[in-house]
Amino acid sequence: DAGITQSPRYKITETGRQVTLMCHQTWSHSYMFWYRQDLGHGLRLIYYSAAADITDKGEVPDGYVVSRSKTENFPLTLESATRSQTSVYFCASSVGGYSPLHFGNGTRLTVT
Amino acid sequence: KQEVTQIPAALSVPEGENLVLNCSFTDSAIYNLQWFRQDPGKGLTSLLLIQSSQREQTSGRLNASLDKSSGRSTLYIAASQPGDSATYLCAVEYGNKLVFGAGTILRVKS
Repeated sequence: DAGITQSPRYKITETGRQVTLMCHQTWSHSYMFWYRQDLGHGLRLIYYSAAADITDKGEVPDGYVVSRSKTENFPLTLESATRSQTSVYFCASSVGGYSPLHFGNGTRLTVT
Repeated sequence: KQEVTQIPAALSVPEGENLVLNCSFTDSAIYNLQWFRQDPGKGLTSLLLIQSSQREQTSGRLNASLDKSSGRSTLYIAASQPGDSATYLCAVEYGNKLVFGAGTILRVKS
């Protein structure tokens, strides 16, 4: 099916472990984004990518790494997970310019 | 600092009522403004996008307006239905960055 899919849907990990959240879109959208959603903070941009091999930091990039070797994939890696990274993570994509953002269903990450 | 504020934080209305959700932003140099809907445990669904040069957009029972000079947008929902119950988020685009409001939780009672 066309769309944007995130995996896993739920993840529990321990402090200090590396974890990768996956994001895949089938529209060939140029732009992809990672947001985290927390009570009291709303949605905050972690990283974004304007095209394959082009990434840039958002508002809260510390502790996260991204890559985009293919247009359709935009994985987010927590190199050494901390409890403060417990959150719901959303991936999104858009054509760019004056076009709406399309979101995945999110990954709920718990760091114990 | 670019901030987006949504009022009210929560709203409960009887079915059939017309309602208005408000969004205000501090920096008027926007590219566009989007309204999203979020259902519990789900991602965000784009409802309406208003470009900075536009004054309003309509989709079915939804109408969104934009007043850049005053830094405000409203989302008007006509003849509300229980299926409209969700969180509604306003997001303002500055360049490649979207700044989100905290959302309004809407409950439509049958």
